[in-house]
Amino acid sequence: NAGVTQTPKFRILKIGQSMTLQCTQDMNHNYMYWYRQDPGMGLKLIYYSVGAGITDKGEVPNGYNVSRSTTEDFPLRLELAAPSQTSVYFCASSYDLSRDRDSYNEQFFGPGTRLTVL
Amino acid sequence: GQQLNQSPQSMFIQEGEDVSMNCTSSSIFNTWLWYKQDPGEGPVLLIALYKAGELTSNGRLTAQFGITRKDSFLNISASIPSDVGIYFCAGQLAPGTYKYIFGTGTRLKVLA
Repeated sequence: NAGVTQTPKFRILKIGQSMTLQCTQDMNHNYMYWYRQDPGMGLKLIYYSVGAGITDKGEVPNGYNVSRSTTEDFPLRLELAAPSQTSVYFCASSYDLSRDRDSYNEQFFGPGTRLTVL
Repeated sequence: GQQLNQSPQSMFIQEGEDVSMNCTSSSIFNTWLWYKQDPGEGPVLLIALYKAGELTSNGRLTAQFGITRKDSFLNISASIPSDVGIYFCAGQLAPGTYKYIFGTGTRLKVLA
């Protein structure tokens, strides 16, 4: 298993450009997440999905869009890139353990995409 | 929104020393997770805690779920150079939500 893969690893955008960050997992996980990590900070949840066709906003969704047409893929779209979106973006996935109240939900992270908007 | 305060922010230690770091919040959490992030990589889960007062070990790592459910501690014994990295705590607010609040991280540097 490759786990969670992300492309590209690095990207530089000009203000106003658009792009899609790709994320794929081969573990048949129901749940997928997008986080951003700013320098010296923790991870902030942008969007998440509990299954194909279902997405929901996290803490910092403004300026982003997502879709989940398959279990494996969860792309993140930036429509009008702004300097405030300069960050490292991590995709993650996890099992659905909602029937087990005492369980935790380990998230497996991809290697990240480092995005700079100039 | 909820915040997790992690301390210290960074630390330099000598190889062989023990390390302690903690995570506190004003909110009650259902689950605490501790992750390690190596440079240029995504976080990797180290230890999961899901009962108040629980003490769990993973090799040289030991973590505790605070009895008030508002804090957690991670200890690393006999540190080695490969312990270098950023350690994050993450708290799950309620079972079934699968949304976690992450701390700001403790950056650990080990001097050989």
